[in-house]
Amino acid sequence: GAVVSQHPSWVICKSGTSVKIECRSLDFQATTMFWYRQFPKQSLMLMATSNEGSKATYEQGVEKDKFLINHASLTLSTLTVTSAHPEDSSFYICSARVTEETQYFGPGTRLLVL
Amino acid sequence: GQNIDQPTEMTATEGAIVQINCTYQTSGFNGLFWYQQHAGEAPTFLSYNVLDGLEEKGRFSSFLSRSKGYSYLLLKELQMKDSASYLCAVMDSNYQLIWGAGTKLIIKP
Repeated sequence: GAVVSQHPSWVICKSGTSVKIECRSLDFQATTMFWYRQFPKQSLMLMATSNEGSKATYEQGVEKDKFLINHASLTLSTLTVTSAHPEDSSFYICSARVTEETQYFGPGTRLLVL
Repeated sequence: GQNIDQPTEMTATEGAIVQINCTYQTSGFNGLFWYQQHAGEAPTFLSYNVLDGLEEKGRFSSFLSRSKGYSYLLLKELQMKDSASYLCAVMDSNYQLIWGAGTKLIIKP
């Protein structure tokens, strides 16, 4: 089946620094990728929809200047958390759309901001 | 608004059967998904229903009634490794997934 990877799987950073998370579709091309965030014991929350070659579409309440998304190629989307704060500590998951009905999830990236 | 409801937590015994219910109200419907998520990991796909009825896949089955806005995930012959959260998600008219909060399933020996 289709494989989506994320890097890094774990990141610990100091408050005020920026962190970049990569999401790659390994054996297929994805024009659309999604970024989710999940806080402990809560559901996945869609942050933004990333479309190759165009600007990402952000969900209400998600700061586009804080969570920078770049989808420069058909196999790579990046999420950069700028000036990270402890409240940004969360589990970030990407997914890649294969068809309208099907998306494959990456393994997730756990971010801890000290 | 859009809403997905499922129980927060359920407990079952190893070897038994458990049914996890999900009710939904969404703007449009393009299918309902069940995902399994172990703690600290990303969700993994279990099933997809777009037509009414029961879909069986090994020990797992999923049922959908579109007129009632209702689905259930049935797990048979429970194993300890089935302890996880089970997420119900509906794809709306814009092909976006609306997620439930998940049901934490605890399996006891």
